[in-house]
Amino acid sequence: NAGVTQTPKFRILKIGQSMTLQCTQDMNHNYMYWYRQDPGMGLKLIYYSVGAGITDKGEVPNGYNVSRSTTEDFPLRLELAAPSQTSVYFCASLRGGQGRVEQFFGPGTRLTVL
Amino acid sequence: ELKVEQNPLFLSMQEGKNYTIYCNYSTTSDRLYWYRQDPGKSLESLFVLLSNGAVKQEGRLMASLDTKARLSTLHITAAVHDLSATYFCAVDERGGSEKLVFGKGTKLTVNP
Repeated sequence: NAGVTQTPKFRILKIGQSMTLQCTQDMNHNYMYWYRQDPGMGLKLIYYSVGAGITDKGEVPNGYNVSRSTTEDFPLRLELAAPSQTSVYFCASLRGGQGRVEQFFGPGTRLTVL
Repeated sequence: ELKVEQNPLFLSMQEGKNYTIYCNYSTTSDRLYWYRQDPGKSLESLFVLLSNGAVKQEGRLMASLDTKARLSTLHITAAVHDLSATYFCAVDERGGSEKLVFGKGTKLTVNP
């Protein structure tokens, strides 16, 4: 199993551009999450999904959109990129259910908006 | 709203010494997680604590959970340089979505 994979690893955007951060997991996990990590800070939840077709906002959803059409994929869309979205983005997944509560994290995407 | 506080935020210690990192949280929860992050890397799961009084140990690290005090500790025994990293605690927000709220992290530096 590859676990949780994210692409791209690095990206530089200009203000106002758009992009999609890809996240795929091959563990058949129901739950998936997008976090952002600003320098010297913990992780903040952007969006999450409890299954295909179901998504909900986290703590900092403004400027982002998500979709979950399959169990495996959970892309994060940035529309009209702003410097405040410069951050490292982590995707995570979790199986859920009794005893299966550990979140597995992807390697991250480092995004800079100039 | 669940808040998670870690202290200290920065910790510089000598090899061979012991120290404890504290994680306090503001509302009832019975699930707490500890993660390690090396610079420029992703998060690595260290411990999952699922009940009051839970204690888990791995090498020189030991984590415990007191749900009544809303407190978890990560104890480091006889620190070595390889333990230098940032350590995060995260608390399950409850409600069935398995959402986590993270502390700001403790940056640990172990000096020879």
